[in-house]
Amino acid sequence: QKEVEQDPGPLSVPEGAIVSLNCTYSNSAFQYFMWYRQYSRKGPELLMYTYSSGNKEDGRFTAQVDKSSKYISLFIRDSQPSDSATYLCAMSRGVDRDDKIIFGKGTRLHILP
Amino acid sequence: SAVISQKPSRDICQRGTSLTIQCQVDSQVTMMFWYRQQPGQSLTLIATANQGSEATYESGFVIDKFPISRPNLTFSTLTVSNMSPEDSSIYLCSGVGATDTQYFGPGTRLTVL
Repeated sequence: QKEVEQDPGPLSVPEGAIVSLNCTYSNSAFQYFMWYRQYSRKGPELLMYTYSSGNKEDGRFTAQVDKSSKYISLFIRDSQPSDSATYLCAMSRGVDRDDKIIFGKGTRLHILP
Repeated sequence: SAVISQKPSRDICQRGTSLTIQCQVDSQVTMMFWYRQQPGQSLTLIATANQGSEATYESGFVIDKFPISRPNLTFSTLTVSNMSPEDSSIYLCSGVGATDTQYFGPGTRLTVL
């Protein structure tokens, strides 16, 4: 079993819909959870960063972590065509030098106008 | 936040040649990394670039193939040596700032013929 599993998509939704992106993981030691957004021909940019379980909200974006299920989600409300990108989940045990970040493969999201 | 630039943004190279990719960060970062992103695959860490000393390579990556330099806190280079078509990929430079947030450069898209 891979450490981080993420459905590559593509996921197509109409503008204005709520988008749900998910990842599962196998390593219970992961404590830090991140979502990156990557536009075509650009590097990933950090979107959300959460520590341990719970929810975190930032504008139209909500990150959710369920450590008991080893499941994390990113919700996008009122989705816009500009949200079309690849979304990568990432996680690590800690922030020390030896705590490597493990990335999912990314989910390609298309918001249809 | 840190702004990371990479040169070149893309290149097409012949088999057996080498390419050096440059990474410049606009502010001091504690750690710098080099990743590879192949189509449909997650980001794969190649190595940690250590200032003034040899880089720390991940399993499957060796210094002879991917020599890395980091002469100061804001600059690093990655060389892809003796290239083959299997080295065609996007190579990403990344830096971790004082707040432990990881930032990525725009990537270098390499095609080996």
